[in-house]
Amino acid sequence: RKEVEQDPGPFNVPEGATVAFNCTYSNSASQSFFWYRQDCRKEPKLLMSVYSSGNEDGRFTAQLNRASQYISLLIRDSKLSDSATYLCVVIANAGNMLTFGGGTRLMVKP
Amino acid sequence: NAGVMQNPRHLVRRRGQEARLRCSPMKGHSHVYWYRQLPEEGLKFMVYLQKENIIDESGMPKERFSAEFPKEGPSILRIQQVVRGDSAAYFCASSQDRARQPQHFGDGTRLSIL
Repeated sequence: RKEVEQDPGPFNVPEGATVAFNCTYSNSASQSFFWYRQDCRKEPKLLMSVYSSGNEDGRFTAQLNRASQYISLLIRDSKLSDSATYLCVVIANAGNMLTFGGGTRLMVKP
Repeated sequence: NAGVMQNPRHLVRRRGQEARLRCSPMKGHSHVYWYRQLPEEGLKFMVYLQKENIIDESGMPKERFSAEFPKEGPSILRIQQVVRGDSAAYFCASSQDRARQPQHFGDGTRLSIL
């Protein structure tokens, strides 16, 4: 089983749609969680950290469910510019290195 | 530019040559990480360094690969006697000097082996 699993997609949605991604992680000792986005094999860019209480940043909402070991990302009112690969990222308790999911590809169509 | 700086952006080497990839962390960051992304695959951790110390190299191949982060100057990822399978994008990230901080990535070095 992979340490961090994501549905690779692609998710094809029209502009203005709401789309949600889930991610599961296997290490129950994981302590920190993030969503990154990656465009066309460019560098990953931090989208948001994920907190136990859930957090929102504009059109983006992230949730963490420790009991079920999954993380979600909700994007409201999708824009063309949201088209990218969204990476679920986890840091285990033991160290600082990031463990990446395989990414979920989002395509927003006009 | 206060971001993570990597150079070169693109590097072409012939099989058997050496590749040196450089990374300067963001200002104020003392932790450096190297990741590799093979074609059509996800990012994989290679090595984690602080100044003059390798903290974790569990993701780095035991042979031909080495990394350093000297007291002065950038972090260097060195690949000796490169092979075709080393062709990949190599990303460097840095974070602040506290545990489990988010990491910020450089533009990456695309290494192509002929």
